[in-house]
Amino acid sequence: EAQVTQNPRYLITVTGKKLTVTCSQNMNHEYMSWYRQDPGLGLRQIYYSMNVEVTDKGDVPEGYKVSRKEKRNFPLILESPSPNQTSLYFCASSFRPAQRSDTQYFGPGTRLTVL
Amino acid sequence: AQKITQTQPGMFVQEKEAVTLDCTYDTSDQSYGLFWYKQPSSGEMIFLIYQGSYDEQNATEGRYSLNFQKARKSANLVISASQLGDSAMYFCAMREYETSGSRLTFGEGTQLTVNP
Repeated sequence: EAQVTQNPRYLITVTGKKLTVTCSQNMNHEYMSWYRQDPGLGLRQIYYSMNVEVTDKGDVPEGYKVSRKEKRNFPLILESPSPNQTSLYFCASSFRPAQRSDTQYFGPGTRLTVL
Repeated sequence: AQKITQTQPGMFVQEKEAVTLDCTYDTSDQSYGLFWYKQPSSGEMIFLIYQGSYDEQNATEGRYSLNFQKARKSANLVISASQLGDSAMYFCAMREYETSGSRLTFGEGTQLTVNP
């Protein structure tokens, strides 16, 4: 089944404890992206990657890191999480971003709480 | 300025009736795309429909249609014959191909409730 998977789905952690949220897609998509969703703000892009070893900042990159060593994986790293990073996180991927109708497909989401 | 504005935080509709969810956008690009996503209470984001700025006809996908009015910069989602399963949060999003390339910018969302 074609899908984007994220792990963990739920995570409660404490301030300053490094964590990684994994994202994997099995559709051979070139493009991958991370978003956070907060009430009243919709989804905001954190980082994106156009292909392997190519990453770039989105609208809200502060406090996050990413890497794209393999085409299928795009982990999100919080080196020192803070309470304002409590949010619902989505990973998304798409086949060919240069194509206008290219559609992003989303993972199931990761609900992160930082105490 | 907000690039995507959804002015209806919540909407209610009776089952089997049609409902329109509003979306206005702001861009100076000539080439852009508009997307609608559905987010049920389970949390996943489900792609519904796409409209390109150069598409001459309004997009349709089953019970979903997009009322695209380019001069007014609006891209309203119309759901016909509402079903209880349509109760969800709906997000309008835009890609500006000239300035932002692959980035999707989302609105704040509209919570739709379908009443039996």
